[in-house]
Amino acid sequence: DGGITQSPKYLFRKEGQNVTLSCEQNLNHDAMYWYRQDPGQGLRLIYYSQIVNDFQKGDIAEGYSVSREKKESFPLTVTSAQKNPTAFYLCASSHPSGPSREKLFFGSGTQLSVL
Amino acid sequence: EDQVTQSPEALRLQEGESSSLNCSYTVSGLRGLFWYRQDPGKGPEFLFTLYSAGEEKEKERLKATLTKKESFLHITAPKPEDSATYLCAVQAGDYKLSFGAGTTVTVRA
Repeated sequence: DGGITQSPKYLFRKEGQNVTLSCEQNLNHDAMYWYRQDPGQGLRLIYYSQIVNDFQKGDIAEGYSVSREKKESFPLTVTSAQKNPTAFYLCASSHPSGPSREKLFFGSGTQLSVL
Repeated sequence: EDQVTQSPEALRLQEGESSSLNCSYTVSGLRGLFWYRQDPGKGPEFLFTLYSAGEEKEKERLKATLTKKESFLHITAPKPEDSATYLCAVQAGDYKLSFGAGTTVTVRA
């Protein structure tokens, strides 16, 4: 059954700690994205990747880092430099070309909270 | 800068009471407008893409329409299972999407 798997579902971060959110997809999609969702706000783009070993900053990349070593995986690290990390994090993927290229498939999200 | 505004923020409906959600947008060169449904604690699920003014798409009790300035999502005779947050997003230029804050719909039996 194809889809996007995010883990963990809930994550707690201590002050000064880096944490990594996992995102794995078996849809054979080239493009992957990380969004942040805060109550009362629209989804905001953190980072995106259109191809393996390449990624670009989104609108709110400060305090975050990513890697794209495999097509299936796009992990997000929330560093200690991100002072307000509490949010719901969503990973998504899409085909970068063809009639379905704009349609995003989302994972079930990770809720990150600060201890 | 692309802007997407959804209204109302919240909508409470009685089962069977039809209503509409609004998504107004300001964008240079709209390439597509998207509607997603999001259940609590879950990721958004794709509903529709609209590309040009006058276009309409339907799925079960949902119908999406598009003008040059806004899109409407009409919910006809809603059921409790239609309760969710509905997100609107626009795409212009590159493939990045700009999302609205969403409308949370609650349908009471």
